[in-house]
Amino acid sequence: ETGVTQTPRHLVMGMTNKKSLKCEQHLGHNAMYWYKQSAKKPLELMFVYSLEERVENNSVPSRFSPECPNSSHLFLHLHTLQPEDSALYLCASSQEEGASSYEQYFGPGTRLTVT
Amino acid sequence: QKEVEQNSGPLSVPEGAIASLNCTYSDRGSQSFFWYRQYSGKSPELIMSIYSNGDKEDGRFTAQLNKASQYVSLLIRDSQPSDSATYLCAVNIRTYKYIFGTGTRLKVLA
Repeated sequence: ETGVTQTPRHLVMGMTNKKSLKCEQHLGHNAMYWYKQSAKKPLELMFVYSLEERVENNSVPSRFSPECPNSSHLFLHLHTLQPEDSALYLCASSQEEGASSYEQYFGPGTRLTVT
Repeated sequence: QKEVEQNSGPLSVPEGAIASLNCTYSDRGSQSFFWYRQYSGKSPELIMSIYSNGDKEDGRFTAQLNKASQYVSLLIRDSQPSDSATYLCAVNIRTYKYIFGTGTRLKVLA
């Protein structure tokens, strides 16, 4: 595997379900991100982790719960979602803190539909 | 509010022409600037990064940065139908904080 991978690629869940999204980066980066992309809106930053420590949390509802067990893996746990949470969820990684470049690389995304 | 603004388009250009995509940003302290290409239903793909004023060329792509005018542009030479996509401008305003525009949809007509 290379780059940033995400599973599952597609997810349909009911409002009472609990599911998790998984992200893995193979780039040796020290920062990982969750973004939400809805139609006609710019990418919305949800969470940022640097070396397993959460450094950004942009007023995201508590029904979204991130977890970063190590610098290569990131999870987004979902429960009691609403239909308006249907979107493309993107994971990204970058090298911050002393890097010569700050390029951010995205995974393929998880298309989430909440019914 | 830190913003990145782009014309949503669509910008239509004939095959072989130069496509010019523009982006303005509001945070004067921004240091890093990026262009992503996003095909419909896919994730953003990084195509260019630029950190200092002037031009940066990579193949058919040229990024231009003017920090005084808070303006970033992307030129695509010899446009191909496969370049048809949405192009996102992104600005790194501080560590861990990237602001994205809503994107410009480009259509290259064969």
